[in-house]
Amino acid sequence: GDSVTQMEGPVTLSEEAFLTINCTYTATGYPSLFWYVQYPGEGLQLLLKATKADDKGSNKGFEATYRKETTSFHLEKGSVQVSDSAVYFCALDDYKLSFGAGTTVTVRA
Amino acid sequence: EAEVAQSPRYKITEKSQAVAFWCDPISGHATLYWYRQILGQGPELLVQFQDESVVDDSQLPKDRFSAERLKGVDSTLKIQPAELGDSAMYLCASSLGQEPYYNEQFFGPGTRLTVL
Repeated sequence: GDSVTQMEGPVTLSEEAFLTINCTYTATGYPSLFWYVQYPGEGLQLLLKATKADDKGSNKGFEATYRKETTSFHLEKGSVQVSDSAVYFCALDDYKLSFGAGTTVTVRA
Repeated sequence: EAEVAQSPRYKITEKSQAVAFWCDPISGHATLYWYRQILGQGPELLVQFQDESVVDDSQLPKDRFSAERLKGVDSTLKIQPAELGDSAMYLCASSLGQEPYYNEQFFGPGTRLTVL
């Protein structure tokens, strides 16, 4: 079945550092890919999405490119802030949302 | 801004007791989802409704879990009897449900269940 594997955490960074969270997927069809973010005590929020190969999703300084040849959708941000501390989930939608296990990111001032 | 509402936010119960969670989706959203998120894992779909009908409940442990959406608006998820392994965050989400296009799911804040 469809599945998502993402980089294990936790990840701890200093403010203004570069962030990368790796995500790879397995799917039989042509899924849409997503990154969700969960701030402490809150529900999930959609961060960005890409619906077809080579699409780049971007939001709040975060970017991810749908790479069909490597079945990847890595999340990147060039300069993180303390407010980016959260749990990040990679997910795919092939008629049903399937989530990765999540990566906890902590940004220190 | 419209939001998905869930209550209670926290619930502590003893094993073998019954618990119920409530979800009110964004107005006009036809599709409603219940997910279970075990600590350290991603959410897993338990049940999906389209209006008042169940579309997918393949991962719902039907011997103890039940879900309903009687009028196609709000929904209740029940566990009876609760077991220690049911301790998790229960998330509700809703989407417009306009096929065949992609429908973004909007998540509520969740109900944190602790079974003692």
